[in-house]
Amino acid sequence: DIQMTQSPSTLSASVGDRVTVTCRASENINVWLAWYQQKPGKAPKALIYKASSLESGVPSRFSGSGSGTEFTLTITSLQPDDFATYYCQQYNSYSTFGPGTKVEIK
Amino acid sequence: QLQLQESGPGLVKPSETLSLTCTVSGGSITSGRYYWGWVRQPPGKGLEWLGSVYYNGITYYSQSLKSRVTVSGDTSKNQFSLKLSYVTAADTAVYYCARCPGFGGHFDNWGPGTLVTVSS
Repeated sequence: DIQMTQSPSTLSASVGDRVTVTCRASENINVWLAWYQQKPGKAPKALIYKASSLESGVPSRFSGSGSGTEFTLTITSLQPDDFATYYCQQYNSYSTFGPGTKVEIK
Repeated sequence: QLQLQESGPGLVKPSETLSLTCTVSGGSITSGRYYWGWVRQPPGKGLEWLGSVYYNGITYYSQSLKSRVTVSGDTSKNQFSLKLSYVTAADTAVYYCARCPGFGGHFDNWGPGTLVTVSS
């Protein structure tokens, strides 16, 4: 099975900050990676697919990059609505999610 | 607008089979563009994909759970279902159904989730 790791596990930031979350795969997954945002008590919401494609309706302050085994999710100017937990998911071979990164208010 | 809604018992006894149904509205599960899947999340923990189904019955499952998981579709009701056998307390989780645009893809639409507790 492909294992996914994320760093950091928790990130403290302020409104307006540029935020970067890293996701690493245990083997090459090409560009088959998605990012999700989840708020407490809610279902995950897809943000990015195929490493860098923005889901319809997702603000352009979210962007994704990477290929192979290392990927990043960037939020260019953190907004109050962005405080949440972010998960990556590989779908190159079956499907595996990362453990999550919680973005909290500094 | 596509909506997915999970339904089923909120409490299941250990060693029994967990059964959930996802009802799809605003779209058809027979659309050849999509697979339909199940993801779960134990309380306070991360996400785990369980399995997915295509409208014609093609399925694929998590390798770690494939001996206990069955996912199937009912095109007449526009629903798909999850069965997880021989459950233990470790299977206590919020279970989500979700749409997947293509074989082995990401999940672009999710149901709100339903909590299933395994306890005697």
